[in-house]
Amino acid sequence: DAGVTQSPTHLIKTRGQHVTLRCSPISGHKSVSWYQQVLGQGPQFIFQYYEKEERGRGNFPDRFSARQFPNYSSELNVNALLLGDSALYLCASRREGGGNEQFFGPGTRLTVL
Amino acid sequence: GDSVTQMEGPVTLSEEAFLTINCTYTATGYPSLFWYVQYPGEGLQLLLKATKADDKGSNKGFEATYRKETTSFHLEKGSVQVSDSAVYFCALSDYSNYQLIWGAGTKLIIKP
Repeated sequence: DAGVTQSPTHLIKTRGQHVTLRCSPISGHKSVSWYQQVLGQGPQFIFQYYEKEERGRGNFPDRFSARQFPNYSSELNVNALLLGDSALYLCASRREGGGNEQFFGPGTRLTVL
Repeated sequence: GDSVTQMEGPVTLSEEAFLTINCTYTATGYPSLFWYVQYPGEGLQLLLKATKADDKGSNKGFEATYRKETTSFHLEKGSVQVSDSAVYFCALSDYSNYQLIWGAGTKLIIKP
């Protein structure tokens, strides 16, 4: 089975712009979570979605939003980009009823100039 | 709130040395514990997990035991290889929200 996929791989934006990141979970996984990993730090939880419903939200401003589609893929949107939004954005999927381990995609490297 | 603390790096060892990376946690419930590994330029890979006290997770020669009495989940390997060079993250998750709480990561450097 294919793993979690994310697009794009890299992205360069300027301050004030908007960005959309995409994630496709492992087949059969209905839960998707988003994490932000700043260089040299551990990931920080942003959102979790299950069956198109938001199940959890981390301590991020309202500029961050996400949604999940009927095929369980997900988008993370960030508005009014700041320099501090530069990070690796990771998507993880989990199979409901399969324990609570999460499987991660390769990430999208966002650079804000 | 829940938290994870792991030893600061970098940890530098010679090939075939014994490895220990310490991880302790604070949690109100009964979390599952994980070790993830991140190789340069890549995403996170699940290395091993333990879901209840006294469980031992193991994979690729790495082991960690869920110690509830000391709230610890230390990662060990008997003989490291250059290919083990990476950043290792300890994390916890509980069944109330499945959100992963992470340590800051420990960079491991293995010299031939």
